[in-house]
Amino acid sequence: EAAVTQSPRSKVAVTGGKVTLSCHQTNNHDYMYWYRQDTGHGLRLIHYSYVADSTEKGDIPDGYKASRPSQENFSLILELASLSQTAVYFCASSDWGGNTLYFGAGTRLSVL
Amino acid sequence: GEQVEQLPSILRVQEGSSASINCTYENSASNYFPWYKQEPGENPKLIIDIRSNMERKQTQGLIVLLDKKAKRFSLHITDTQPGDSAMYFCAASETGNYKYVFGAGTRLKVIA
Repeated sequence: EAAVTQSPRSKVAVTGGKVTLSCHQTNNHDYMYWYRQDTGHGLRLIHYSYVADSTEKGDIPDGYKASRPSQENFSLILELASLSQTAVYFCASSDWGGNTLYFGAGTRLSVL
Repeated sequence: GEQVEQLPSILRVQEGSSASINCTYENSASNYFPWYKQEPGENPKLIIDIRSNMERKQTQGLIVLLDKKAKRFSLHITDTQPGDSAMYFCAASETGNYKYVFGAGTRLKVIA
């Protein structure tokens, strides 16, 4: 089965601080995604990438940056964390756009 | 924007009965419709999917129906067990397009 590993699994951050969430996949997939999950909103796409050294904005990119230094690694960066960014964040990969997503275990972020 | 409406948001059924979740989508170009199951504290996992060249698919107690004219698809869980209790998400996507649109989720509770 596809393997997507996220770190950390949980994080407590202070308002205004910088947070970096990391994702590593061993599936040889071209597409990687960052989703945010809030109660009642399902999964919303923040950023995605289909090739190394390139990232694209998803549906809710404000307040987030992304970095794809290699095919295997995809990071989500919160330069100035805010209370509203408290959520569970999932990384996912797929072999091509629109095909099956394989999710990581998630990162629970609490901004205080 | 594009949306996937998923109903009901909460579903309680007796063990051994069937459970049905319905989703409608807006983008007529959507051709891939996966269903994900998410257990508490876990990541979403693909349980069944259907592509637009099919109207019905069945596997291990799960049935998915697709009505392209009505832009509607549904998941039916037969002979529900307590282990089926989880959050279920439907999604719609278009091959070659990064954009996955998720429903808001259905929390299924199977009562013993």
